[in-house]
Amino acid sequence: QQQVKQSPQSLIVQKGGISIINCAYENTAFDYFPWYQQFPGKGPALLIAIRPDVSEKKEGRFTISFNKSAKQFSLHIMDSQPGDSATYFCAASTRGSTLGRLYFGRGTQLTVWP
Amino acid sequence: NAGVTQTPKFQVLKTGQSMTLQCAQDMNHEYMSWYRQDPGMGLRLIHYSVGAGITDQGEVPNGYNVSRSTTEDFPLRLLSAAPSQTSVYFCASRTGGTGASGNTIYFGEGSWLTVV
Repeated sequence: QQQVKQSPQSLIVQKGGISIINCAYENTAFDYFPWYQQFPGKGPALLIAIRPDVSEKKEGRFTISFNKSAKQFSLHIMDSQPGDSATYFCAASTRGSTLGRLYFGRGTQLTVWP
Repeated sequence: NAGVTQTPKFQVLKTGQSMTLQCAQDMNHEYMSWYRQDPGMGLRLIHYSVGAGITDQGEVPNGYNVSRSTTEDFPLRLLSAAPSQTSVYFCASRTGGTGASGNTIYFGEGSWLTVV
């Protein structure tokens, strides 16, 4: 059973456009929602994360929007650049989890055309 | 600052062979884990450890073995390699805290394994 569902699987955006990736979850115990960015040949790296006590978090051109009632969260990349081309993973976990485990979405491959 | 270091980067195995993927972290993290990444499947947890001497299974543990004799090292052993184990393997670690940085997982750069 997939704990976190991510869409779309792939996304093509023109330079300067807005990239939007969506994720949904079922487990209401989740209280930490990070996004990871992965470039080809590299490991995933934390991009931005949010906790459910806020509805939005912004860091530069990257924004997470969180809808607790709908159990959905999304990543918005404003003014998308070719350097943003990467695979993006959403994830979820519970604070203080002794497992230290993140449940990952299946990833979105973003391509930004110049 | 090395972070999480994995070796080897690339490996080709024949079916039935065994091998060990090495992972070391220099951040004194309590939690370490192994994921595999397959196209369209995201990252799936193989095994994890919450400290030296303590390991447990993730969601896809079959065919793999782990041990944690030190805080720094967490090797992943393939007991008898099968083509289905062709994948990219990532080792990861995080602190044991529950604060803002406690959930941040740091990944190694990956080990590409092909089983023929």
